[in-house]
Amino acid sequence: NAGVTQTPKFRILKIGQSMTLQCTQDMNHNYMYWYRQDPGMGLKLIYYSVGAGITDKGEVPNGYNVSRSTTEDFPLRLELAAPSQTSVYFCASSYLQREAYNEQFFGPGTRLTVL
Amino acid sequence: KQEVTQIPAALSVPEGENLVLNCSFTDSAIYNLQWFRQDPGKGLTSLLLIQSSQREQTSGRLNASLDKSSGRSTLYIAASQPGDSATYLCAVSWITGANSKLTFGKGITLSVRP
Repeated sequence: NAGVTQTPKFRILKIGQSMTLQCTQDMNHNYMYWYRQDPGMGLKLIYYSVGAGITDKGEVPNGYNVSRSTTEDFPLRLELAAPSQTSVYFCASSYLQREAYNEQFFGPGTRLTVL
Repeated sequence: KQEVTQIPAALSVPEGENLVLNCSFTDSAIYNLQWFRQDPGKGLTSLLLIQSSQREQTSGRLNASLDKSSGRSTLYIAASQPGDSATYLCAVSWITGANSKLTFGKGITLSVRP
């Protein structure tokens, strides 16, 4: 299993451009998450999905959109890039049987710079 | 507000020392607590998950404990090695949250000197 994969690894955007960060998992996990990590800070949840066709906002959703058309894929869309979106973005997944057992697995991250 | 705190932000120890990393959280009604390791420029690797009903979990030289009543968890690393140098993050999933959302601390950056 490849686990959670993310593309691209690095990207530089100009203000106002748009892009999609890709995330794929091959573990048949039902839950998927997008986090952002800013220097010296912990991770903050952007959006999450509990299954195909179901998404919900996390702590910092403004400026982002997501979709979940399949179990495997959970892309994150930035429509109008702003310097405040410069960050490292992590995708994660988990298989929820019971909340107490819900261990999350992370991808390698996408480092995004908006200039 | 539900928060996770990790103090200090950085720690430097000589090789071979046993050490404890601390994590505190503000609400004892948790589902579980996870400890992660993050190497520079890399993603997060799950080290240990402690369920609400458990007091500790062990994996190799790592032992994580959980005390819900005091809102604390510790990650014990035995006989530290330079390869243990990384940032260690603690994350909590709360019962009053929804759908297993994790709240992270800011992490402790550990440096083990040869």
